[in-house]
This record gives sequence, structure tokens and C-alpha cells, in this order.
Amino acid sequence: DVKVTQSSRYLVKRTGEKVFLECVQDMDHENMFWYRQDPGLGLRLIYFSYDVKMKEKGDIPEGYSVSREKKERFSLILESASTNQTSMYLCASSSSGSLRQQYFGPGTRLTVT
Amino acid sequence: EDKVVQSPLSLVVHEGDTVTLNCSYEVTNFRSLLWYKQEKKAPTFLFMLTSSGIEKKSGRLSSILDKKELFSILNITATQTGDSAVYLCASNGSGNTGKLIFGQGTTLQVKP
Repeated sequence: DVKVTQSSRYLVKRTGEKVFLECVQDMDHENMFWYRQDPGLGLRLIYFSYDVKMKEKGDIPEGYSVSREKKERFSLILESASTNQTSMYLCASSSSGSLRQQYFGPGTRLTVT
Repeated sequence: EDKVVQSPLSLVVHEGDTVTLNCSYEVTNFRSLLWYKQEKKAPTFLFMLTSSGIEKKSGRLSSILDKKELFSILNITATQTGDSAVYLCASNGSGNTGKLIFGQGTTLQVKP
């Protein structure tokens, strides 16, 4: 059974803190993605990676960075958390190629106070 | 700019009703349209559509794609309270990277 796991389901951080969100997949997928989900806005792509150490900006990369040192792990970093980064963060993975579904993790609800 | 638009954004029905969710897209180099169901956890895959006019079906759920009019519909017949969820529509992004472009989602509430 395919599995994408995320390090935390709920996280509360203070403004200015550095935040790490981790995602691990066990399907040997090449592609990994980080989204944020906000009411009325759907899923918006922050960053994605199509190979180890490779990354590309999505639609809303400002305020975020990512790291992919191993194929199975993709980390999202908030260098200095701000209240407007309070959101649900979803990680996904897929195998290479265009006609592939993405498999999602359970999400991390991050609150920045 | 590529975009996917869903309607309605929210819907309340009673058990037994039939619902139709809409998804329109404007995507360069379109290859596929996907539907996901999201309860209070990870979105789960429902369907992938690549060809016009071919219905995909799973139990009470079905979906079809119209590549001429650039839209897809998701039908749910004889709705149950367990169908309450956010339904997400997505299309492939540009290039061959596996990126998806998502719509805003439709929140469906099925009342007993």
C-alpha cells in the first residue's frame, strides 16, 4: 500500500521562528510536491522536486524553501514564519511521466501566532 | 495562464439526491484531468480522464470529459452522508514534470 507521511498533523509556531515540515514517501517516486490549501483557493503549489537535489518553484514560493537530499524525503522550510503562512500544508508524490496521479500525505495544519 | 475552475464552490443536498460537480479548464498542452475526494485528511484519487466522451465509473460516482468545450463533470447518484467531502479537480501543468493545477474545490455536504 502506497504511503506518504508528514512529520506532524498539527503545529503551532511563533512569528519569526524557523519551521521545518518533513514529508516521506515509500513508493520510490521521482516527483515530490508541497502545496498549501486555504479555503476558497484550493491547492496552490509552493515547490516541487523531480529528482534528488533538484527543485523548481511553484506558484507561491515566496517565504519558503525546500530540500531534497534523499529520494524519499522532501522538506519544506519556512525561514521566518509569519501569520499569513497559517495554513494546511499537503505533501504529494508521483512517479515520473505526465499521466500519473499524485499521492497525498495527511497534511500538516500549521498555525503561526 | 493555465487555470482550472470548479463550480459550485459549495453544495448542500439530502441523502438520495443526485449531484453534478463541474470543472472547466484552460491548460496549454492538455493531457489529463483528475478528480480527488478529500475528507478531513489526504485527498484520495477518484478518476483520471484523458479522452472525450468516455465515462469513467466507480460505484455511484462517474465522470466524463469534453475536450471540445474544455470541461468535466463528476456525478454522484443516490448520495450518502459519507459522500460529504471536498471534491478537487486538477489538470496537468505545462511540461512533463507531473505538476497538477488544482481548482478551488467543491465542498459537498450531504444531510441525512
